[in-house]
Amino acid sequence: EAGVTQSPTHLIKTRGQQVTLRCSPISGHTSVYWYQQALGLGLQFLLWYDEGEERNRGNFPPRFSGRQFPNYSSELNVNALELEDSALYLCASSPLGGATEAFFGQGTRLTVV
Amino acid sequence: QKEVEQDPGPLSVPEGAIVSLNCTYSNSAFQYFMWYRQYSRKGPELLMYTYSSGNKEDGRFTAQVDKSSKYISLFIRDSQPSDSATYLCAMSYTGTASKLTFGTGTRLQVTL
Repeated sequence: EAGVTQSPTHLIKTRGQQVTLRCSPISGHTSVYWYQQALGLGLQFLLWYDEGEERNRGNFPPRFSGRQFPNYSSELNVNALELEDSALYLCASSPLGGATEAFFGQGTRLTVV
Repeated sequence: QKEVEQDPGPLSVPEGAIVSLNCTYSNSAFQYFMWYRQYSRKGPELLMYTYSSGNKEDGRFTAQVDKSSKYISLFIRDSQPSDSATYLCAMSYTGTASKLTFGTGTRLQVTL
């Protein structure tokens, strides 16, 4: 069974640009979570989508947004990139809305120059 | 002060040693406690999950929670080079993955 897959694996963008990251959850999982893992800061919760709806949002500015599609895949969009957005962006999925156990993908490494 | 504190390491131990990894936290409302293992260039993988206080054992891994001291531990017995990774503690006051608060991780290296 395929795990959580994310694309692209690596990305380099210029400050001020916009970026879209993609995530495909494990088959049968309806919840998708996005986390940011910046150096020295640990994982910070960004967004939770379940059944196509945004259920919860972390303490991030509105330029971080996303959506979940009918097939439960998800996109994370970041507008007006700043240098401090450089981080590993992790997507996780779980089988039920709000389940405790989440399965992570390998992440997308974003570098903003 | 961070809600969850974790020594970043690195922690270097010889193969076969017993490893002790720890986190302290400040929010007494945390009820769910987890340990994740993250290999380089990979996403975190859930190792252990504990609700409330007590011990839980799974093979070479034992998780302990002491809510009175706001202290959790992960013990690894008979450590192997394949255990070399970053270990992240995480905790939540609800049972939902969207409310997880992570430590910054401890990097462990098990040497031959």
